[in-house]
This record gives sequence, structure tokens and C-alpha cells, in this order.
Amino acid sequence: NAGVTQTPKFRILKIGQSMTLQCTQDMNHNYMYWYRQDPGMGLKLIYYSVGAGITDKGEVPNGYNVSRSTTEDFPLRLELAAPSQTSVYFCASSYMLGKVGELFFGEGSRLTVL
Amino acid sequence: AQKITQTQPGMFVQEKEAVTLDCTYDTSDQSYGLFWYKQPSSGEMIFLIYQGSYDEQNATEGRYSLNFQKARKSANLVISASQLGDSAMYFCAMREGSSNTGKLIFGQGTTLQVKP
Repeated sequence: NAGVTQTPKFRILKIGQSMTLQCTQDMNHNYMYWYRQDPGMGLKLIYYSVGAGITDKGEVPNGYNVSRSTTEDFPLRLELAAPSQTSVYFCASSYMLGKVGELFFGEGSRLTVL
Repeated sequence: AQKITQTQPGMFVQEKEAVTLDCTYDTSDQSYGLFWYKQPSSGEMIFLIYQGSYDEQNATEGRYSLNFQKARKSANLVISASQLGDSAMYFCAMREGSSNTGKLIFGQGTTLQVKP
């Protein structure tokens, strides 16, 4: 079982460049999320989606965009990268009809903006 | 607004001893869920244990148990018989029941080091 797959795992960007972090899950989960984790800190929610075609902002959405055209995929777009976006990005999914509804995480994508 | 607080940035424990990691939360919801995740140095997020606000018993999963004190709004993680592999960062998280989005908010984390 692949679970939640993120690519790339590592990326270095120059200030002002743009890129897309890819996320795909094979568990047929309706709910998907993007979090960022700054060094030594907890996770902060960037964007989330409760189903294909539905997305909404989380706590720290500025500088990012998302789309959800299929149940499986939830890419995160960074426009005009800034040093403040240097972080580890986690994609996650969940199945909210279950009792627990825990989040299943990808392995993370480490992004450095220089 | 909901909030999760972990006041212990770092903890040490001797191998084979028990350790408690603190977590307090704030919410106005009656229905909510509390989660603990482990993040080893390799970086992945591993789900450990869950407690629902209406669950009468404290949750247990192997060596992990959750000491849930609803009136105090605390959800401490207890790890019994610590092992070297328990060295990691631990996050407490909460989901509000009134939100149908499933999103979690996370605390700042506690770094646990197990000494041989």
C-alpha cells in the first residue's frame, strides 16, 4: 500500500521562483490537507479539501494555492517563493466516516528558498 | 478559538522507565477528538493514539496510554517501559467535532530522549 505519496522529497528554490508540490493518495479518502512544519515547531494548516472540487484556506494560506480535481490528487502551488516559505511540507488525508478519522501523512517535502 | 499547548520542549527518561508528556487544550465544543503523533528523526508522522471527548475510558494502545482529564482539559500521553526507539518528537493534536472538515490543530511538540 502506497498510502500518501509526496514529490519531490527535497527541493531548493531561488527567491521568486514557483513550483508545485505533488500529493496523491490511494486510500479513496475524501479529506486532504497540506501542513507546513518550521524547524522545531508544530504543524500549521495551509489548505484543506473535503472532496474533489472543494478547497478552503487553513491557518497560513498566504503565498500558496491548491486545487482538487480528483479524489486522489491535491497539489500545492507556491508562487513567487520567499525565504519565509523554507519549511517541511506534509500532505495528509483522512477518512472522516471512521470513528477516529486520524490523518495519514506523506513522508514530507523539504523545501529551501535561497 | 481552539488551542493545544505542550509546555515541555524537551524531556529525558531512562530506558525502561515510564514518562508522561503533557498536553492541555482549549475548545468550546462538547464533541472533539484528541490525538498523539510521533515524529522520529527520519521525519515521518506516526499516529499513536486517539481519545474521543465522550469516551469514558482512557485510551490505550500497547505501551501508550492517554490520561484524559476532561475537567482540566488535559490529555497527557503516558509511555510505559521506555525504549531507545521512543526517542522522537511527540505532538498532541485536536479536532473539533463541530467542524466537519477533519482538520487537526497541533501543539508545538515535545522532544523525548531515552537514555540507556
